[in-house]
Amino acid sequence: EAQVTQNPRYLITVTGKKLTVTCSQNMNHEYMSWYRQDPGLGLRQIYYSMNVEVTDKGDVPEGYKVSRKEKRNFPLILESPSPNQTSLYFCASSPTPLPGQGSGNTIYFGEGSWLTVV
Amino acid sequence: AQTVTQSQPEMSVQEAETVTLSCTYDTSESDYYLFWYKQPPSRQMILVIRQEAYKQQNATENRFSVNFQKAAKSFSLKISDSQLGDAAMYFCAYRGQGAQKLVFGQGTRLTINP
Repeated sequence: EAQVTQNPRYLITVTGKKLTVTCSQNMNHEYMSWYRQDPGLGLRQIYYSMNVEVTDKGDVPEGYKVSRKEKRNFPLILESPSPNQTSLYFCASSPTPLPGQGSGNTIYFGEGSWLTVV
Repeated sequence: AQTVTQSQPEMSVQEAETVTLSCTYDTSESDYYLFWYKQPPSRQMILVIRQEAYKQQNATENRFSVNFQKAAKSFSLKISDSQLGDAAMYFCAYRGQGAQKLVFGQGTRLTINP
């Protein structure tokens, strides 16, 4: 089954304690991305990666790091979490978007990870 | 920068009736993709329907269809024969050709009344 898998799904942590949210996809997609969802703001992109060893900032990258050492994995790292990073996080993937290929432009999401920083 | 606006924070409909959710967007691009995602209480993001801007024909998926008006930059979602399982938050989203992200609207919460 084609899917994007995130772990953990739920986490409560304390300010300053480093944590990593893992993301893995089994669709051989080149593109992967992280979003956060906050009330009234919809989903906003944190970081994205177009392929192995290629990452770039999205709209809200402050306080986060990512790495893309393997095509299937794209972990999100919070080096020193703060309460304003309490949010619902989504990992997403898609093939490299090409002109005229609608399916290649569809982004698939993981089930989400609830993160609370106290 | 592209923006997506959903002007209806909440909508409700009687079961088996039809409901239309509105979405407008702003872009200077000519080639792009539009999506409707459903987010049920589980908070999972589920793709409902996709529309390619270069296609004039409106996309349909079973009970879900869109009214895509490119000149007006409007992309509404019609749900026919509403079912209780359709209750969810619905997000309209835009992706430019080759773009690295989706731009989301703020969402519309849909309630289905039995």
